[in-house]
Amino acid sequence: QVQLQASGPGLLKPSETLSLICSVSGDSMSGYYWSWVRQSPEKGLESLGYIYYSGSPKYNPSLEGRVTMSVDTSKKQFSLKVTSVTAADTAVYFCVRGMTTHIDYWSQGTLVTVSS
Amino acid sequence: DIQMTQSPSTLSASVGGRVTITCRASQNIYTYLNWYQHKPGKAPEVLIYTASTLQSGVPSRFSGSGSGTDFTLTIDSLQPEDFATYYCQQCSSFPPTFGPGTKVDIK
Repeated sequence: QVQLQASGPGLLKPSETLSLICSVSGDSMSGYYWSWVRQSPEKGLESLGYIYYSGSPKYNPSLEGRVTMSVDTSKKQFSLKVTSVTAADTAVYFCVRGMTTHIDYWSQGTLVTVSS
Repeated sequence: DIQMTQSPSTLSASVGGRVTITCRASQNIYTYLNWYQHKPGKAPEVLIYTASTLQSGVPSRFSGSGSGTDFTLTIDSLQPEDFATYYCQQCSSFPPTFGPGTKVDIK
C-alpha cells in the first residue's frame, strides 16, 4: 500500500518561503508523476503542478513563477517550495501520486498558515 | 483554465438510498474526468477515473458516466461509510481543475 506523508512548517510570515517535503513508502517512485494539491475555503482544491520521477516539472501558471518542485528518488521524497507567500497561500497542502490522468494516492493534508 | 461545477453542493440521503451527483465542465473534456471521496481528517481517495473506470478496491455500488461536458457519479445502496464530500476533477487540459465538492450527509 502506497503511503505519502507531507511534512514542513505549519506557520509562516508573509514574504517567507513555504517548503514541504513528501515522503513516499510502499512503492518505487519510478514511472510516476508526483504532485501537490492545496485546499482553501476561497479557492477549493487547486493543483499546484507535478513532476515526473526523473524531473521535468510543470507548474500551474496561477502561482506566477513562485513555485519549484523537485524529486529525490534515492530518499524517496519530493518537495515543494513556494516563495513570497501571502495570506492567500494559507491552505491545507496534499502531496499526491499521479495527476496527468488521475491521482491514485493522496497524503493526509498538512495545514500551512501564513500570518504576521 | 477549465471550470468545473457540481450539483448539488450538499445533499441529505438515507442509508440504502441512491445518490446522484452531477459534474459539469466549462468545455469538452472528453472522458478525462475523475471522482474522489474525502472524509474529514483522512486522505482523499479516488473512486472513478476516466469517467467510468472503477478504481481497484472501490465497491461496485459506485459508478460513473458521461462524456464531453456532463458527468454523473451514482452511489447505489448508500452505506454509512459513504457519508463524505465528493469532488470531480478534469485532467483534459493543464492545469487540472476540481469541482467545488458535494457533501453527502445523513438524512
